[in-house]
Amino acid sequence: KQEVTQIPAALSVPEGENLVLNCSFTDSAIYNLQWFRQDPGKGLTSLLLIQSSQREQTSGRLNASLDKSSGRSTLYIAASQPGDSATYLCAVRGSSNTGKLIFGQGTTLQVKP
Amino acid sequence: EAGVTQSPTHLIKTRGQQATLRCSPISGHTSVYWYQQALGLGLQFLLWYDEGEERNRGNFPPRFSGRQFPNYSSELNVNALELEDSALYLCASSLATSSYNEQFFGPGTRLTVL
Repeated sequence: KQEVTQIPAALSVPEGENLVLNCSFTDSAIYNLQWFRQDPGKGLTSLLLIQSSQREQTSGRLNASLDKSSGRSTLYIAASQPGDSATYLCAVRGSSNTGKLIFGQGTTLQVKP
Repeated sequence: EAGVTQSPTHLIKTRGQQATLRCSPISGHTSVYWYQQALGLGLQFLLWYDEGEERNRGNFPPRFSGRQFPNYSSELNVNALELEDSALYLCASSLATSSYNEQFFGPGTRLTVL
């Protein structure tokens, strides 16, 4: 059974810092991994999608890496801003075509001005 | 291009009632997914519809059901509401059935059961 874990559960950093969010999964047989952002009480915004054959994806100040063999992904945020404050969720889509994403519990990030 | 839309934004019901939640996917997307985000439980997969057919359902009782219409919009029905059904219900859509396709989420419907 696939399980997704995100560490840390919460993170508080001063503005301008570079930071790394971690995601680990127990079954390396995945189609892809998505990173999402969720603001309080809102829906999910897709940030990056990494296919199982890829090692990393970049979008602006965000860079996500994937190491399937070790069951890990990291989301790197450069030069953090107060507007980056949100909960970040990673989710994996398993190799069996069930359609579902399996989510971690998220990392709540606070960037202080 | 419009994203995934959901209605209503908020819904308040009492125990035992029925709730109906609606979702319109991104234009061109044929797959619709439903997830429940209850406090403290994280995001849980509910249902997957594609081309009008239910493709998969998560570990939820039969009180949770839905359908997909010919225009690919979808409806989630929750019967005999219980207090623990209070949650944010999120709908997502993707292109076709390929497992490589990205899922895009709507803003959610907040269901409160009193």
